[in-house]
Amino acid sequence: ETGVTQTPRHLVMGMTNKKSLKCEQHLGHNAMYWYKQSAKKPLELMFVYSLEERVENNSVPSRFSPECPNSSHLFLHLHTLQPEDSALYLCASSQDARTGGYGYTFGSGTRLTVV
Amino acid sequence: AQSVAQPEDQVNVAEGNPLTVKCTYSVSGNPYLFWYVQYPNRGLQFLLKYITGDNLVKGSYGFEAEFNKSQTSFHLKKPSALVSDSALYFCAVRDSSGTYKYIFGTGTRLKVLA
Repeated sequence: ETGVTQTPRHLVMGMTNKKSLKCEQHLGHNAMYWYKQSAKKPLELMFVYSLEERVENNSVPSRFSPECPNSSHLFLHLHTLQPEDSALYLCASSQDARTGGYGYTFGSGTRLTVV
Repeated sequence: AQSVAQPEDQVNVAEGNPLTVKCTYSVSGNPYLFWYVQYPNRGLQFLLKYITGDNLVKGSYGFEAEFNKSQTSFHLKKPSALVSDSALYFCAVRDSSGTYKYIFGTGTRLKVLA
């Protein structure tokens, strides 16, 4: 384990379903991120939370809804997804979103398949 | 605008030979540069970073990278490749202006052949 835990590891959902991805870190980090990883594309930053406040929303469709109830937990709520949303969703954390440059700690990801 | 380029989709190298995975970047201000590795069905793992100081940075698992400001490059190197080094490698850059966006490259798949 890297210190960032994501559940579930795999998820298959229909286009009309509602599901949630969970991310948890106990590293004492103040910033958490959602990234989307699709084959042969750069990692796409979706959302950034700093001290539980959303500070970045990279033009992500509203069918993706993040939630950060505290600095240790991050959720990504999913509803009415499309097949092109199938990807590996990665959660990451860092000490501070705005200063330094110390890199991320990533979770293992949730492999999402939309059918 | 910030950008990162990894010009090779795949690099093949024989075990025991030196390896190089290329990365070039474009960023305003001083760059923070990173290399991450991803094994199958895993998240990205931090390998090494350059923030300031010596241009040659040493990281995990015997990897190193050389920051070259004039060529805006940050190539990843290892003197002697292992089969277990086979994975997907990502270069990332962040500028020093206070934004929190890391820009990742598209990744380079390294195959080390026994």
